[in-house]
Amino acid sequence: AQSVAQPEDQVNVAEGNPLTVKCTYSVSGNPYLFWYVQYPNRGLQFLLKYITGDNLVKGSYGFEAEFNKSQTSFHLKKPSALVSDSALYFCAVSWGYQKVTFGTGTKLQVIP
Amino acid sequence: EAQVTQNPRYLITVTGKKLTVTCSQNMNHEYMSWYRQDPGLGLRQIYYSMNVEVTDKGDVPEGYKVSRKEKRNFPLILESPSPNQTSLYFCASSLETSGRGSSYNEQFFGPGTRLTVL
Repeated sequence: AQSVAQPEDQVNVAEGNPLTVKCTYSVSGNPYLFWYVQYPNRGLQFLLKYITGDNLVKGSYGFEAEFNKSQTSFHLKKPSALVSDSALYFCAVSWGYQKVTFGTGTKLQVIP
Repeated sequence: EAQVTQNPRYLITVTGKKLTVTCSQNMNHEYMSWYRQDPGLGLRQIYYSMNVEVTDKGDVPEGYKVSRKEKRNFPLILESPSPNQTSLYFCASSLETSGRGSSYNEQFFGPGTRLTVL
């Protein structure tokens, strides 16, 4: 079965420090991987995606993610966290036709 | 402004009283989808639509209906709501890249509808 896991319910990081939000997936075939962010009382917003090509993907607001096929991971990273990055982050994986599965979400708290 | 709109944003209702949550997008997207968000479960897909008059079940379709009579609109219908349908609902849309469906393209989400069924 296709699945995506976000092993951490919450990640705390000090402002200015690098941040990582983890995502692993299980998909037969080649996956399409996405990261979305949800601010309080808002819908999800697209951050970045991996379809094919370069394993390091750059996205909005200074975020990037690295696709690692051998570890089946797609961790979200940012070199220097901002307080305004505090939000709920979702990893999603697509496969086949029209099928998409979201992770359970990771709450990122950036501490001033 | 490109957007997905949902109405109402908040709704409190009682068990068994039929309701409809509307969704509209102005981006001419072929693909539209409904999700529910519950604590600890993330987003789960309820129904999706590839285009006008083409709909299919997602992972949790029980108790819901949809229709796609126009490209821009994709209403979610709860014929007889029950308390276990209390949730936060999101509508989303994306382009449909030929041969790849929506799997290839990022989705644009509406602001959400918080539904409480008493």
